[in-house]
Amino acid sequence: SQQGEEDPQALSIQEGENATMNCSYKTSINNLQWYRQNSGRGLVHLILIRSNEREKHSGRLRVTLDTSKKSSSLLITASRAADTASYFCATDPNGGFKTIFGAGTRLFVKA
Amino acid sequence: KAGVTQTPRYLIKTRGQQVTLSCSPISGHRSVSWYQQTPGQGLQFLFEYFSETQRNKGNFPGRFSGRQFSNSRSEMNVSTLELGDSALYLCASSPDGRYEQYFGPGTRLTVT
Repeated sequence: SQQGEEDPQALSIQEGENATMNCSYKTSINNLQWYRQNSGRGLVHLILIRSNEREKHSGRLRVTLDTSKKSSSLLITASRAADTASYFCATDPNGGFKTIFGAGTRLFVKA
Repeated sequence: KAGVTQTPRYLIKTRGQQVTLSCSPISGHRSVSWYQQTPGQGLQFLFEYFSETQRNKGNFPGRFSGRQFSNSRSEMNVSTLELGDSALYLCASSPDGRYEQYFGPGTRLTVT
């Protein structure tokens, strides 16, 4: 089974609203990453948070990590139509050279 | 720097055939990972290569294999294709296999 599970599976919001996606994982990790994928294309790296960090910001993105609950959340503030995409969390189980992706959250931002 | 390139971008094969996909990483990146993406199973890790050595592999049958060349370019091969192998195959490179990965556009394989 996949390391990461995300919810919600799909999210539809209005432009200007905030979008929050959650990710849970099963084993210990060294870091957790979030990626974006537009309509069946390659993934684009958004942000990485290390296991000893609790929160990280990058532009309109805020990521939190709770290693005790094995969960992370991605917040996109002031969403734009261009943020419409699928968002995936990715982990490195037990710090190995293997990246496991969650099932993803499909975000639709209505203009 | 040029990004990760994958060839071909689209491929149609018949059951039972074999296929080879190619990936050229970003210059200076020594790690290449391969993923299979399908609507039903999502993004699944196939294997990761670093300096011509496979360091990790996912739970795929032996029909899926790969290799990496001294210039870090990588190929993956799928033999005896099955309908279920239809997927988007993504390649990603990184300097050392940790942290941020840079993805190519993928190869869309259709098996008929």
